Amino acid sequence: DSGVTQTPKHLITATGQRVTLRCSPRSGDLSVYWYQQSLDQGLQFLIQYYNGEERAKGNILERFSAQQFPDLHSELNLSSLELGDSALYFCASSESANNEKLFFGSGTQLSVL
Amino acid sequence: AQTVTQSQPEMSVQEAETVTLSCTYDTSESNYYLFWYKQPPSRQMILVIRQEAYKQQNATENRFSVNFQKAAKSFSLKISDSQLGDTAMYFCAFMMKGGGADGLTFGKGTHLIIQP
Repeated sequence: DSGVTQTPKHLITATGQRVTLRCSPRSGDLSVYWYQQSLDQGLQFLIQYYNGEERAKGNILERFSAQQFPDLHSELNLSSLELGDSALYFCASSESANNEKLFFGSGTQLSVL
Repeated sequence: AQTVTQSQPEMSVQEAETVTLSCTYDTSESNYYLFWYKQPPSRQMILVIRQEAYKQQNATENRFSVNFQKAAKSFSLKISDSQLGDTAMYFCAFMMKGGGADGLTFGKGTHLIIQP
């Protein structure tokens, strides 16, 4: 168990809908990363937050947004969902912004029908 | 931007054999980290081993070791005495020291199957 909790584990929704994925980092970790894993794109970095502030942005679509709350949990919001958004979404956490030791959650499997 | 290439989509070996997974990467940076992650059927991403680019010595973790060739930009993973529980997807990954805008950059993965 990595100590990173992601909910829900599975999510099935329809095109055009909006969903929220939740991540609780390991106790004491200030940095949260979001990754998307799909068959065609592989594992892609979406965004990083550190202590409530956005720190780095990767291949995140404009329809997607994220935030990190004062209690350090993070949410990834996906809107106007398309079939191609179906993927496994991982959250990872680390102690600091520059720490290379990331601990991954078990992911949220999103299916858009 | 950095790229990571894993040229072996799938490999299969017998239990107790030694297997080597290949990884090459491309970067103009000099300070970075390289990783091998394991993703078993449970989907959990598990860190197997980590290498700091400025360290000449190859990292080892029990049955897992790497062959890091900085000039060739090569980072292979050797698994000795392979076990059935080693069956998984293995991802090679790169991260600039200090994080950077790309976070972790992953290769496409190698599906390793350990046969009984």
